[in-house]
Order: sequence, then C-alpha cells, then structure tokens
Amino acid sequence: GAVVSQHPSWVICKSGTSVKIECRSLDFQATTMFWYRQFPKQSLMLMATSNEGSKATYEQGVEKDKFLINHASLTLSTLTVTSAHPEDSSFYICSARAGETEAFFGQGTRLTVV
Amino acid sequence: GQNIDQPTEMTATEGAIVQINCTYQTSGFNGLFWYQQHAGEAPTFLSYNVLDGLEEKGRFSSFLSRSKGYSYLLLKELQMKDSASYLCAVIDSNYQLIWGAGTKLIIKP
Repeated sequence: GAVVSQHPSWVICKSGTSVKIECRSLDFQATTMFWYRQFPKQSLMLMATSNEGSKATYEQGVEKDKFLINHASLTLSTLTVTSAHPEDSSFYICSARAGETEAFFGQGTRLTVV
Repeated sequence: GQNIDQPTEMTATEGAIVQINCTYQTSGFNGLFWYQQHAGEAPTFLSYNVLDGLEEKGRFSSFLSRSKGYSYLLLKELQMKDSASYLCAVIDSNYQLIWGAGTKLIIKP
C-alpha cells in the first residue's frame, strides 16, 4: 500500500510552547489529509480535513486557532499545536488519500506536554 | 520487524456471520483497534481490546489473545451496508500505531 510518514513519532514539550507535527505522503499525491486525535481507550476523533491549497475544515469543538493545519503541497500537511497545555497530551494521527481512494495512515505522534 | 497480517478480501452473504482475523508481531503491545472504513470516507472506530477475551457490541464482537498475537472481528447478521474495509491496528510499546493493510469485505445478497 501507499506510504504515509508522520514525524516525530514521540515528542515532549513544555507547557506554553508550540509543537509541529508533519505528515508526508511518500509515493503518492495526497489531495486530502485528515488529522485525528486519540485518547487512551477511546475512539479515533477526527479533528480536521484539509485539501491541498485550501483552508482546513475543522470538526465541531476543535479550536482552529489552537490546532493550526497547513496543507501547502500535495505531499505535506502539518499540524501545529500552539501554546500546548497538559490536556493536549494525546496521540495524533494523520491519514492521506489521493482523490476518492482509501486513506492511508501515518504511524502517529505521541505528544506529552509537561 | 513489526507486522500485522489480515486477509486482503473476504466475501460473505447478507444475514450470515463473518470472522476477520488479524495476527500481529510488534515490539510491545498497548492495545488493538478495529476500524471500519467505507470507500472515500474517514475510518470509524469499532472496538478496542487491551485484555484477553471477547468484547461484544451489538452485531460486532472483537476477540483478543495477547499470548498468540491474535485478534478477530466477528460480524453477525450481515447487512449490505457492512460492505467496507476493516482495519486492524496495534499500539506498540512506543505508542506508535501499526496498521494492517485492511480487509475488504464484500457482502452479497
């Protein structure tokens, strides 16, 4: 299957700082990328959908000013958690798809805010 | 290396029962998820297992055996809308999510 690379896989940051997570499609052009958040033993929660070259569409309850998403190219989308707080500690996962094909997932990023 | 195996495709009849198997070899284990994904849509959560045994949720059940590195998703009273891909995913000791390639389930009338 297609490869989606997510980086970093693990990050620890201080409260109040910002963290950027990258999601790259390595062997296909991703017209759409999805960002998810997952708390332990809970379902995968879709945060936002981004299409290349346009603003991301955020799900209800997700603060767009706190979770900045940039999908500037067909192979790269970034999620920046701004002014991170301990409650933002979670597992963030991206997925990417080309057109209306199935989505392929990244490895996930575990964020711990201390 | 880390690996998750599940069948590529399965076919079943409406109203019947189907079991989708998943075997894994990962560095550590912090839980196993099953997701359903319809073509062109985001995946939806079905189940999470971290302890051995069977978890039942309506028509869907998921089983886990950590000693065998094995899980299955059981779908009962199949409906046409159950035609989708079913993804098995494991969180390893580093909290990385390791995904299976998915099983495409085709339901026939």
